Amino acid sequence: DQQVKQNSPSLSVQEGRISILNCDYTNSMFDYFLWYKKYPAEGPTFLISISSIKDKNEDGRFTVFLNKSAKHLSLHIVPSQPGDSAVYFCAASSPTGANNLFFGTGTRLTVIP
Amino acid sequence: GAGVSQSPSNKVTEKGKDVELRCDPISGHTALYWYRQSLGQGLEFLIYFQGNSAPDKSGLPSDRFSAERTGGSVSTLTIQRTQQEDSAVYLCASSLGGLAGAETQYFGPGTRLLVL
Repeated sequence: DQQVKQNSPSLSVQEGRISILNCDYTNSMFDYFLWYKKYPAEGPTFLISISSIKDKNEDGRFTVFLNKSAKHLSLHIVPSQPGDSAVYFCAASSPTGANNLFFGTGTRLTVIP
Repeated sequence: GAGVSQSPSNKVTEKGKDVELRCDPISGHTALYWYRQSLGQGLEFLIYFQGNSAPDKSGLPSDRFSAERTGGSVSTLTIQRTQQEDSAVYLCASSLGGLAGAETQYFGPGTRLLVL
């Protein structure tokens, strides 16, 4: 059973516009959320994270929003650049669960020049 | 410094054969994870090592899968009697080993396993 879901397998955005990647989760015990970015033939790389005590975390062009009541988080990239084209994975962890991350299935972002 | 490395990068094997996948974590990282990504799936947790503690094997899909970590560093994931459904990218990650779930995990490039 998928505890972290990314319902959009792909997203295309024009360069300079905003990219919004969405993620939903089912486990209310999750207290830490991360976004990873993956290029082909490479392992995922950490992008940005947010603790459940916050509802927003910003790092340059990347902002993650957390809506705990809706069990939803989103990653905003603005302005989008062609180099942002990659697969983005949402991940979550809980303090009481196994010492691992639960990943979504990923969203492939294509930024069109 | 070097990141997480994995070998081989690609492995093609015949159904029923055993395979060994290797992971070299970042030096000084005490936590090591194995995940796999099957076609169209997210990353699926397999096993977690933390220092000298007993590993968390809760994600291993069957008893054909095993892993060990020698000397608290290099880890080997072994799949016995491989099946076609074992075909996937196997990813290793390591982290400093403090608050496990809240740490950034650094991933290797993965081993692409194809079972014919």
